[in-house]
Amino acid sequence: GQNIDQPTEMTATEGAIVQINCTYQTSGFNGLFWYQQHAGEAPTFLSYNVLDGLEEKGRFSSFLSRSKGYSYLLLKELQMKDSASYLCAVKPNDYKLSFGAGTTVTVRA
Amino acid sequence: GAVVSQHPSWVICKSGTSVKIECRSLDFQATTMFWYRQFPKQSLMLMATSNEGSKATYEQGVEKDKFLINHASLTLSTLTVTSAHPEDSSFYICSAGSGTSSYEQYFGPGTRLTVT
Repeated sequence: GQNIDQPTEMTATEGAIVQINCTYQTSGFNGLFWYQQHAGEAPTFLSYNVLDGLEEKGRFSSFLSRSKGYSYLLLKELQMKDSASYLCAVKPNDYKLSFGAGTTVTVRA
Repeated sequence: GAVVSQHPSWVICKSGTSVKIECRSLDFQATTMFWYRQFPKQSLMLMATSNEGSKATYEQGVEKDKFLINHASLTLSTLTVTSAHPEDSSFYICSAGSGTSSYEQYFGPGTRLTVT
């Protein structure tokens, strides 16, 4: 089976930076995704990493180290609307995605 | 951008009845569609993968006779929950990809099913 771990909850202050870690052990690796999901809504795509290194997209950045089976999502200049669940997902060796349990981020004023 | 719709957005049904959920790709052809189930405060669990014109591939532990999937066209897949029970109450989400070479899946808005 696929094993994807991420913290359950994180809390941060508006304007701050939060880093959500994700470690994975999967049967193969064909890319890692980060999704944002607000309560009662479907996930929305944030980032995709398939090579080692940092991908930056505005306030969100995602990092991947394949040798360590590790990724993180960095959220900068936090806003209240960033309060959501963040899902780490790995594509093992085909087009299916395996999701982690999600990290609930709460942004406080 | 790629848009996926689901209908209905929420449904309440009585135990023992069947419910059909539709998933449509609105502006692209989806050769592959995925059906997920999400229980409260849990992550998405893949139920099955459907390819247009062929039988769906179910994940281990998912009853194919209970969760009927039909992918009759490149823009529509349906999930029918047969003989629904309260434990089937969940958030059902579909996603669509335009091909196996595409790295991104586009998610529908989800359907909240409550079985009473």
